[in-house]
Amino acid sequence: QSVLTQPPSVSGAPGQRVTISCTGSNSNIGARYDVHWYQQLPGTAPKLLIYGNSNRPSGVPDRFSGSKFGTSASLAITGLQAEDEADYYCQSYDNSLSGYVFGTGTKVTVL
Amino acid sequence: QVQLQESGPGLVKPSETLSLTCTVSGDSVRSYYWNWIRQPPGKGLEWIGYIYNTETTNYNPSLRSRVTISVHTSKNQFSLKLTSMTAADTAVYYCARRGNWGWELQDWGQGTLVTVSS
Repeated sequence: QSVLTQPPSVSGAPGQRVTISCTGSNSNIGARYDVHWYQQLPGTAPKLLIYGNSNRPSGVPDRFSGSKFGTSASLAITGLQAEDEADYYCQSYDNSLSGYVFGTGTKVTVL
Repeated sequence: QVQLQESGPGLVKPSETLSLTCTVSGDSVRSYYWNWIRQPPGKGLEWIGYIYNTETTNYNPSLRSRVTISVHTSKNQFSLKLTSMTAADTAVYYCARRGNWGWELQDWGQGTLVTVSS
């Protein structure tokens, strides 16, 4: 069961900017738990893309950026490239479940 | 660099118990948080549970009655047991390690597909 809501899909032409929203509640994102983002290429395991709302692990291009505000968060991809075509998931911690919660997932298509 | 590798049966019969193992290299399972996550075909990610400090566990409430996660320090492994399997439990099962910042999942195994069918 996904507690965080994302749009099912977003698309953009190469070079464009796309954003993915992640909406939670006062028991997770709104409770000041950080939001993290994962990229899942077809047939592979998720890969940590953004941690702590806006930090990039080593090796992640600076085309990817994250932000958090209130009970929501957002992932932005600027200068969209064909290799960015993947599923993206947000994730946080929920104090009513006392555990991890994931977003519903968003498929990014490069036109 | 931490590496994780899942192993276990690819096919389980309905009502049986699933047993999966995650072998860890590059870190000790004696410390930190070790998780299981699953993903049904074509669907999103679902957290199953974690274990930390070798004995403290926390499980998804929706699976709590059927799940056990344990650590095997001598082999640097941790395992998942899920009882009373049904077709709804068919999924790719991943093991993952919590990162150093907060509740992020920094390192993942490649995943193993488990199909429930008679």
